[in-house]
Amino acid sequence: AQKITQTQPGMFVQEKEAVTLDCTYDTSDPSYGLFWYKQPSSGEMIFLIYQGSYDQQNATEGRYSLNFQKARKSANLVISASQLGDSAMYFCAMRSTAAGNKLTFGGGTRVLVKP
Amino acid sequence: DAGVIQSPRHEVTEMGQEVTLRCKPISGHDYLFWYRQTMMRGLELLIYFNNNVPIDDSGMPEDRFSAKMPNASFSTLKIQPSEPRDSAVYFCASRQGSSGNTIYFGEGSWLTVV
Repeated sequence: AQKITQTQPGMFVQEKEAVTLDCTYDTSDPSYGLFWYKQPSSGEMIFLIYQGSYDQQNATEGRYSLNFQKARKSANLVISASQLGDSAMYFCAMRSTAAGNKLTFGGGTRVLVKP
Repeated sequence: DAGVIQSPRHEVTEMGQEVTLRCKPISGHDYLFWYRQTMMRGLELLIYFNNNVPIDDSGMPEDRFSAKMPNASFSTLKIQPSEPRDSAVYFCASRQGSSGNTIYFGEGSWLTVV
């Protein structure tokens, strides 16, 4: 079975500063993908970034980067230069072939950016 | 390009009524997923389809829930009869299996059963 854990239920960050959101995962499948989604107060789920288990380099998408530490089974999201619009829930998720391509989500971390 | 389209966006219904949620996946995507989000349980996968065929429905709560995908551009999730504990946000999502890995979500259907 695959499992995703986000240990930070909520956090504050000052505008323009960077913030790191923790995500650890557990799977026995050597082939898997890790995702981060953003859910603002309006409710939609917005895809942010993807990291494959065989990718050699950490994924980056604009102000988002994924700190992938395979041996530690962690996939932390780093948001640089936080903006007020970054205030939202952030979900880490994993998909593996062994799990039938289902996307399993962590419990989420609520981020509030302070001006 | 149009994203995943869900309807209705919001629905309030009385206990015992039938509820039908609809989804149009992104054109060309061959995987379709139904998720449910609640405060208590977070995001849960209910069922997913590949090429219109249900692959895994182990997340469907009980017989009151059913899902269909009659063609590649349409799916429904039906709850009959509805109960207050079914109140949640129901997301539909789709993915192209042949290339790319990203699963794209619709805006969700916010269901309240009173």
